[in-house]
Amino acid sequence: LAKTTQPISMDSYEGQEVNITCSHNNIATNDYITWYQQFPSQGPRFIIQGYKTKVTNEVASLFIPADRKSSTLSLPRVSLSDTAVYYCLVGSNTGFQKLVFGTGTRLLVSP
Amino acid sequence: ETGVTQTPRHLVMGMTNKKSLKCEQHLGHNAMYWYKQSAKKPLELMFVYNFKEQTENNSVPSRFSPECPNSSHLFLHLHTLQPEDSALYLCASSQAQERYYEQYFGPGTRLTVT
Repeated sequence: LAKTTQPISMDSYEGQEVNITCSHNNIATNDYITWYQQFPSQGPRFIIQGYKTKVTNEVASLFIPADRKSSTLSLPRVSLSDTAVYYCLVGSNTGFQKLVFGTGTRLLVSP
Repeated sequence: ETGVTQTPRHLVMGMTNKKSLKCEQHLGHNAMYWYKQSAKKPLELMFVYNFKEQTENNSVPSRFSPECPNSSHLFLHLHTLQPEDSALYLCASSQAQERYYEQYFGPGTRLTVT
């Protein structure tokens, strides 16, 4: 799995847009980028996955530049309930690889 | 019930006890996973089952014994644990092992070993 680097923590306020960037310089051609969210004392939750350009779902958007060496998870108009740890993972969409969650980005949303 | 369920949600056990954690998924998936999450440490994969067959054992001590009777149920049998085994134990499932990147997690069992 390609190594990923993301900020340890971020702070935001309710109603703001939050962008969390992840670096993955060694991403391979077959690798996809996946983001998970984890609330305290709960299991992670799959948020979004993409390969290139932009992916959007009801929860978030994922922006991936042409070189794919980084990606940005965008959370529109965050609320207090978006306070969580966000993990960026990179891995191939074929075969099996262990998910390596790392330490993630701890997002704190304040009133 | 929907998704992935785990029981019990909390468990306190002594080092000489034997207990079991149960996981059930209602998603029709064929791969199931056990993870351990210790305080302030990343999730660690413990075991993987694909179509009831164990395919990964991430060097887990033998005091943890998994069992997968069918694709919907996964157990983790515990015996003679150590205090450092206290952690949140998470179960997850995916459509198949090849779809490992989209896993659905249960709420976890908070285990305390005294």
